[in-house]
Amino acid sequence: ILNVEQSPQSLHVQEGDSTNFTCSVPSSNFYALHWYRWETAKSPEALFVMTLNGDEKKKGRISATLNTKEGYSYLYIKGSQPEDSATYLCAFTNYGQNFVFGPGTRLSVLP
Amino acid sequence: GAGVSQSPSNKVTEKGKDVELRCDPISGHTALYWYRQSLGQGLEFLIYFQGNSAPDKSGLPSDRFSAERTGGSVSTLTIQRTQQEDSAVYLCASSSGEGRTQYFGPGTRLLVL
Repeated sequence: ILNVEQSPQSLHVQEGDSTNFTCSVPSSNFYALHWYRWETAKSPEALFVMTLNGDEKKKGRISATLNTKEGYSYLYIKGSQPEDSATYLCAFTNYGQNFVFGPGTRLSVLP
Repeated sequence: GAGVSQSPSNKVTEKGKDVELRCDPISGHTALYWYRQSLGQGLEFLIYFQGNSAPDKSGLPSDRFSAERTGGSVSTLTIQRTQQEDSAVYLCASSSGEGRTQYFGPGTRLLVL
């Protein structure tokens, strides 16, 4: 059974602060890692998909890195804004397996 | 269609009744997933369809839950003899293949009284 861990569980930051959180995944038989943003009362929205060790993706103020050898990914938000408040989910899949979502990190950005 | 659609958007039912939730995936997507989010909880996997393969039902919480996918497209999630603990948002997602990015529908909010 695959297990995806995310930390911290929740996070409160002030507007303008930069922040980051972690997703830990199994390193064996790795296929892809996804990050999603899930705003309250909305559906999860895909942010990034990464497949290669060392991958870095960026979308505006949000970026992500992947280390498949040690089994983790970081999501960074630069200059947090209130609209960044959401739950950030990572999801992992290896060959022949289903998607496995982590429990998420709930981010609150205070104005 | 342009995105994943789900119906109804909201459903209120009485305990013991059966409900059917519908999902229309993105055209051409071979993979379809059902999840639910209970109040204050995370995303809970229910069932996964991939092409013509047998579905992965490992996430269904009880035998009151079933799902089918007709013609490789539309899917229906059925909950028989609903219980109050079934109240949740039921989300459907589709993708172009195993391990590919999932695109979520708007969800069905189910309330069992």
